[in-house]
Amino acid sequence: DTEVTQTPKHLVMGMTNKKSLKCEQHMGHRAMYWYKQKAKKPPELMFVYSYEKLSINESVPSRFSPECPNSSLLNLHLHALQPEDSALYLCASSQDPGLSYEQYFGPGTRLTVT
Amino acid sequence: TQLLEQSPQFLSIQEGENLTVYCNSSSVFSSLQWYRQEPGEGPVLLVTVVTGGEVKKLKRLTFQFGDARKDSSLHITAAQPGDTGLYLCAGATNAGNMLTFGGGTRLMVKP
Repeated sequence: DTEVTQTPKHLVMGMTNKKSLKCEQHMGHRAMYWYKQKAKKPPELMFVYSYEKLSINESVPSRFSPECPNSSLLNLHLHALQPEDSALYLCASSQDPGLSYEQYFGPGTRLTVT
Repeated sequence: TQLLEQSPQFLSIQEGENLTVYCNSSSVFSSLQWYRQEPGEGPVLLVTVVTGGEVKKLKRLTFQFGDARKDSSLHITAAQPGDTGLYLCAGATNAGNMLTFGGGTRLMVKP
């Protein structure tokens, strides 16, 4: 099983709303990632969690707040977003934090900020 | 900063034609992955190549890793409309847990 699940599939939120994106994997992977993808562009790395600890934050604005409650779950809390934050948000996982290859992606959450 | 350049950026072909997508860098990668992504979905891992000169085949898709592990190619034989999508190459290093993505190749196969 190489499945990463993400909810919700679609999300529309206003600039004053607070919402959360959720990601789950049951492959026993110990590294989890959040990416942002704009249309017709490759994914851009936002955060990396290794063994449930934040190891990389790619200078992401504080209106995005990641959380890793346990080894299977990854959340992305959203607050006071801007319209330019509208994008496909992808979660991924890989088996070993020291080896980034073979990342498995979820289907993504299509976020629209109005 | 490591960069991966993918070419072509866009390719529109007829069903049955062959095509090759290239992924080039001046940096050495410990491994390189190829993904295919359909609109509104996440990238799906197709293959990982690790050894310089390695060739892997997945049905009509042939993947090659350059001898110096700086470049890779994806060749599709007799393309079908189901091959339509965004193809992404991504390189990994031994230094950490990050992937460097190429800019992507948008493939459209017309019936």
